[in-house]
Amino acid sequence: EAQVTQNPRYLITVTGKKLTVTCSQNMNHEYMSWYRQDPGLGLRQIYYSMNVEVTDKGDVPEGYKVSRKEKRNFPLILESPSPNQTSLYFCASSFLPLGTEAFFGQGTRLTVV
Amino acid sequence: KQEVTQIPAALSVPEGENLVLNCSFTDSAIYNLQWFRQDPGKGLTSLLLIQSSQREQTSGRLNASLDKSSGRSTLYIAASQPGDSATYLCAVGADKLIFGTGTRLQVFP
Repeated sequence: EAQVTQNPRYLITVTGKKLTVTCSQNMNHEYMSWYRQDPGLGLRQIYYSMNVEVTDKGDVPEGYKVSRKEKRNFPLILESPSPNQTSLYFCASSFLPLGTEAFFGQGTRLTVV
Repeated sequence: KQEVTQIPAALSVPEGENLVLNCSFTDSAIYNLQWFRQDPGKGLTSLLLIQSSQREQTSGRLNASLDKSSGRSTLYIAASQPGDSATYLCAVGADKLIFGTGTRLQVFP
């Protein structure tokens, strides 16, 4: 089954404790991205990747890092989480060129206390 | 800067009604427009994708139209059912997906 898998689904952590949210897709998509969803603000892009070793900032990259060492994986790293990073996070993937259907993971609900 | 607006923000209707959800965008330079469904606590499920060269797409009881020149898309849901209750998001695709804030739909029996 074609899917985007995120882990964990739920995470509560403390301020400053590094964490990684994993994302994996099995569709051989070149393009992968991370979004955060906040009430009243909708989904906003954090980082994206056009292919292995090619990443770039989205609209709200501050406080986040990503890597793309393999085509299927695109982890989101919070080096020093803060309470304003409490949000619902989604990973997405699609083929290039842009304009093809995007597939989303089930989401990761992160709470930073 | 592209802005995407969805109206109404919330909608509550009895079962069997035909519905129209609206999505408007400010910049017509888009690759596509995609409609998603989001259930509480779950991810986004792609419903329909309309390429910029297309006018509409249909899937079952769903029909989505696109008018690039006026910056509008509509999602038409025929004969609504309680199982259609969810938040519906539209997203325009250019160098990235830009989302509206959604329409929360409740269909009651």
